[in-house]
Amino acid sequence: GAVVSQHPSWVICKSGTSVKIECRSLDFQATTMFWYRQFPKQSLMLMATSNEGSKATYEQGVEKDKFLINHASLTLSTLTVTSAHPEDSSFYICSARGLAGGAYEQYFGPGTRLTVT
Amino acid sequence: DAKTTQPPSMDCAEGRAANLPCNHSTISGNEYVYWYRQIHSQGPQYIIHGLKNNETNEMASLIITEDRKSSTLILPHATLRDTAVYYCIVRADTTLYGNKLVFGAGTILRVKS
Repeated sequence: GAVVSQHPSWVICKSGTSVKIECRSLDFQATTMFWYRQFPKQSLMLMATSNEGSKATYEQGVEKDKFLINHASLTLSTLTVTSAHPEDSSFYICSARGLAGGAYEQYFGPGTRLTVT
Repeated sequence: DAKTTQPPSMDCAEGRAANLPCNHSTISGNEYVYWYRQIHSQGPQYIIHGLKNNETNEMASLIITEDRKSSTLILPHATLRDTAVYYCIVRADTTLYGNKLVFGAGTILRVKS
């Protein structure tokens, strides 16, 4: 149980275009979803937190107009990287917290590798 | 949330126990110790967590000192597939809209044959 999926697993896009990444909790309802970014050889950096039906809370230094987060349902959150640039190339990982297996815990998706050319 | 300190890397022989230390001297009474690991190019995987008692599950054991200022994650019989970055994270109790997990640098564990 407690499976979080992401789609796509990898994507290549041209500079200036927008890319949407989906995150789904497959077997539990996620009251809160988190989006992280990870550059090569670095740790995960939290970008934003979103509760279902509410606006996302962004970490300091993360541009909310560039990284649009929508948490429309208890099983789906999307991250849209708008007007992507090469410096946005990174590994994006979502995480979902909800009641699974009798406890509230946080589970991670497999990540999405974004390359902007 | 309290800050944690971990060694940057460790080596372990295959089949032996891997003991990964973590210091969290500023931990407060309502904060749990969580361990996650991340295998290359994958999302983090939950391992175990505890408050003050030692915990064990099918993956690992967690030993927390009596003063709760440090802990050790034990992989009893390390395999090559346990090679990963291991993160020790301290966080207050999760509630319906609980606190976020903030990752530090972690420990790179290399299991060698």
